[in-house]
Amino acid sequence: NAGVTQTPKFRILKIGQSMTLQCTQDMNHNYMYWYRQDPGMGLKLIYYSVGAGITDKGEVPNGYNVSRSTTEDFPLRLELAAPSQTSVYFCASSYSRVGYLNQPQHFGDGTRLSIL
Amino acid sequence: GIQVEQSPPDLILQEGANSTLRCNFSDSVNNLQWFHQNPWGQLINLFYIPSGTKQNGRLSATTVATERYSLLYISSSQTTDSGVYFCAVILGGGSYIPTFGRGTSLIVHP
Repeated sequence: NAGVTQTPKFRILKIGQSMTLQCTQDMNHNYMYWYRQDPGMGLKLIYYSVGAGITDKGEVPNGYNVSRSTTEDFPLRLELAAPSQTSVYFCASSYSRVGYLNQPQHFGDGTRLSIL
Repeated sequence: GIQVEQSPPDLILQEGANSTLRCNFSDSVNNLQWFHQNPWGQLINLFYIPSGTKQNGRLSATTVATERYSLLYISSSQTTDSGVYFCAVILGGGSYIPTFGRGTSLIVHP
């Protein structure tokens, strides 16, 4: 079982460049999430999706975009990279809504992104 | 917004020792989760525990929702318990957005 797969694992961008962080899951989960983790901090939710074609903003959506064309894939797009977006990004998926039916979130291994 | 405070920020133990980690939150919550992030950065759900007590092996958690705190107990600690422990809370009203504390960093020495 692959679970949640994120690519790339590491990336360095220049200010103003764009890139897409890929996330795919093979557990047929409807719910998917993108978080960022800054040094010494907990996670902050960027965007989430409750199913294919449905996405919504989390706590820190500015500077990011998402799409959900299939159940499996939930890419995160940075259009104009800024130094404030230097962080570790985690994708997660779950069978049900976070905290409901005691279903856990399954996390990818993260993407470490530096913007210089 | 809701505040989530974890204590202690850092903890160093010898293998075999017991420990208690605390999570205080400033408002009523619909749910509370404990996570472990290992030294390689991987995240694992430990407990969903909006109230009451749960146990899983050497780990157990208790949430007293009326007093707005949760405790994570680690007994007979092992070096593999090292990492950062986060609690995260979700407000009611249909919110999907968890608020994380800053974590407790645990180092267990052999």
